[in-house]
Amino acid sequence: EAGVAQSPRYKIIEKRQSVAFWCNPISGHATLYWYQQILGQGPKLLIQFQNNGVVDDSQLPKDRFSAERLKGVDSTLKIQPAKLEDSAVYLCASSLQGPRETQYFGPGTRLLVL
Amino acid sequence: GQQVMQIPQYQHVQEGEDFTTYCNSSTTLSNIQWYKQRPGGHPVFLIQLVKSGEVKKQKRLTFQFGEAKKNSSLHITATQTTDVGTYFCAGRGSSNTGKLIFGQGTTLQVKP
Repeated sequence: EAGVAQSPRYKIIEKRQSVAFWCNPISGHATLYWYQQILGQGPKLLIQFQNNGVVDDSQLPKDRFSAERLKGVDSTLKIQPAKLEDSAVYLCASSLQGPRETQYFGPGTRLLVL
Repeated sequence: GQQVMQIPQYQHVQEGEDFTTYCNSSTTLSNIQWYKQRPGGHPVFLIQLVKSGEVKKQKRLTFQFGEAKKNSSLHITATQTTDVGTYFCAGRGSSNTGKLIFGQGTTLQVKP
């Protein structure tokens, strides 16, 4: 079974630029999550989708971050404009049905904002 | 809001010694999960505990969920160099969204 795929794996941008990350969850997984992991900290949930609907985006900085999962499968996370404090690993995870099940994480995208 | 705290932040042990990390929540949890993240890697699910006082074992790893469902621990017996990494607990509240709140992790270094 293929795991969660993410691209790109690494990205370096300057502050105020825009960046987008892509995630393809495990086939058949209804729930998709985007986490932000700052160095030395645990992952922090940014947004959770159930199929193509948003379940929780309470910690998403909506003035600069946006995410979509239009067809209920893959998803994109965008930052516009980026700030220095956005430097982190952005992890995508998926679970089969809902949030009470095991979450499978992708390899992450390492973002460095200069 | 709900907070999950883990101690210690770092632990260095000699290979063969035991290791324990502790996790405490500010609120009662519906369940708790444990993940391992190798250096440069991504979190990998280890186990989920649901019941009050539950104890589960995976080879040399023992996981406990407190009676009040507000704390948990992971104990590794006779550590090996392959145990190196950061161990995260992640607690789930009782709300409908079931959002996982991760602790800050305990990074384990094992000296051969």
